[in-house]
Formats: sequence, structure tokens, C-alpha cells
Amino acid sequence: QQPVQSPQAVILREGEDAVINCSSSKALYSVHWYRQKHGEAPVFLMILLKGGEQKGHDKISASFNEKKQQSSLYLTASQLSYSGTYFCGTERTDSWGKFQFGAGTQVVVTP
Amino acid sequence: DVKVTQSSRYLVKRTGEKVFLECVQDMDHENMFWYRQDPGLGLRLIYFSYDVKMKEKGDIPEGYSVSREKKERFSLILESASTNQTSMYLCASTPSGGLGSPLHFGNGTRLTVT
Repeated sequence: QQPVQSPQAVILREGEDAVINCSSSKALYSVHWYRQKHGEAPVFLMILLKGGEQKGHDKISASFNEKKQQSSLYLTASQLSYSGTYFCGTERTDSWGKFQFGAGTQVVVTP
Repeated sequence: DVKVTQSSRYLVKRTGEKVFLECVQDMDHENMFWYRQDPGLGLRLIYFSYDVKMKEKGDIPEGYSVSREKKERFSLILESASTNQTSMYLCASTPSGGLGSPLHFGNGTRLTVT
């Protein structure tokens, strides 16, 4: 079962913030976040492992709530370059090595 | 830099044809994956492999098979292509263990079955 992402889409003005959520019904080893621009391959942003750590990549950060099996990606002070589709990928503890992705969140940042 | 190369960017095939999609990675990664990407459905896992000649079914293996005869190459096979297999296909690889290691994706193959 794929992880569930929300929202499906978000439109931002430059400088605004947004949060993208990813949840799993099963326990997770790790959560990955990727961004894909139109016509290109998904590009890795960050990985969060069991332990509830928070990571950052420029002004994009993420957290992982191990108890709830939820991860959130935070886009802070968004830039035009943040536009794209964001995917969370998960590896469950009951299916090692099997990376599953959510349906994606389309982010459009306007001037 | 890790390079994952998919042999074709665009492919057009007829219904019933046998189709081979090839993927090669140059970083000696143990794990390789095939996904299909459709609007609104994200990336869905078809098959993955954690070693030569080893394979595991993903979430949507029906109508597909795979082959991994060499570590660097992972092939996706459509035994008898159907129109509902028209999609973007993405290959990815990652080192053994996976935990803490990102997936590296190829540029994708857009397959159209007519």
C-alpha cells in the first residue's frame, strides 16, 4: 500500500510557506523526499530515519513522527525554483528494500 | 556522480508485442527498481531486485517480468504489451542496505502502446 500524500496540489506566491504531509499505515524505517520537475527525473532532497529527526536542505526541511508514521515537508519562504512535484518515498519495516512512493504533491510558486 | 541510464527516452509499440526496457547503472549498486508513473497515481513499484538473479514483486507486477543477469543491468519485460501499459517507466538504483541511501533515477522511458 502506497503512502498517502496531502495536499494533491498547492499554489504559492514567492516568499510564502507550505507544508506537505506523508503518512503510512505501517511502521517505517525511513522516509525519503524527492522533487521532480516536468520532463525530468525525480531528484533526491533528504532522508529521515527512525528516531524522529528533522533535516534541512536550504529552506526546505522535513520531520518524521515515528509514533504516527507521518512525515512533513516544510517549504519556507518559497522560491520560484521550488515549483515541481514532490514525492515522499517510504521503506516499511515489514518489507525491507521495497521503496514505495506517494501520489505526489504538485507545487506551483508564482511571482 | 551516479548515472542510471535507460536505453530509450520514447518508445512506440503495438498491442501484443514483446517489449524490453533496459536500465544500466554505473555505481555497482545492489538494489534496482522499476516504477511506472501515471498522472495522479505517482510512482508505483512494479518489481525490484536486490542482487543478480534475485527479484521481488512490487505493487503492480501483473503483465510484467524482469531480468537481472548482471549487477549493472535490470530489464523490464512486457510479454504482450497492452494499451493500459502506456505510461512513463522509471528505473532507479541504490546501494545495498538502502537505509540512509537515496534512490538514483534514470530519465525515464515514455512508452506508448497502440
